[in-house]
Amino acid sequence: EDQVTQSPEALRLQEGESSSLNCSYTVSGLRGLFWYRQDPGKGPEFLFTLYSAGEEKEKERLKATLTKKESFLHITAPKPEDSATYLCAARGSTGGGNKLTFGTGTQLKVEL
Amino acid sequence: SAVISQKPSRDICQRGTSLTIQCQVDSQVTMMFWYRQQPGQSLTLIATANQGSEATYESGFVIDKFPISRPNLTFSTLTVSNMSPEDSSIYLCSVEPLTNYGYTFGSGTRLTVV
Repeated sequence: EDQVTQSPEALRLQEGESSSLNCSYTVSGLRGLFWYRQDPGKGPEFLFTLYSAGEEKEKERLKATLTKKESFLHITAPKPEDSATYLCAARGSTGGGNKLTFGTGTQLKVEL
Repeated sequence: SAVISQKPSRDICQRGTSLTIQCQVDSQVTMMFWYRQQPGQSLTLIATANQGSEATYESGFVIDKFPISRPNLTFSTLTVSNMSPEDSSIYLCSVEPLTNYGYTFGSGTRLTVV
């Protein structure tokens, strides 16, 4: 069974204090590792897709990396507007290859 | 990326009744997905809806409880039937990735069953 585990569950940072969120996955035949941002009362907002170990993608203050067992979302010099829940999801080859298995998310709070 | 309109955004329903949630996409897509997000929990896939065929349900979800329609390539509905308080959750629709993009999600329907 595919599994995705995120840590920490919650993270509080000061503005400008860089940190990383972790996503560990066990998936049969990885076909993509996805990062989403979810604000309260809204649906997940797509950030990145990573397909193979060693791949990296960046967008503003966010950088996602992928190994064979984990993905990291690095947040550099965060701002209060980066406060949200960050979700990681893995797409495996089982169940027709379109099922996303989500982690429970990391709640990030960035304070002034 | 596709733009998804999901209705209603929230509802409070009496136990034993049913609620139908609508999902409209601004472009034609082959695959649409329905997820449930229970309070404090992760998103769980309920079923995959392909146009022209029966929906495929994940383990723990059955058609009698969550009937799905997919009449065309831009629209789908999910009905939550014979509701109980345990069905209180956020329900989200999603569509398959377009080129160089991830799965897109609607804004969700927050359902409270009393």
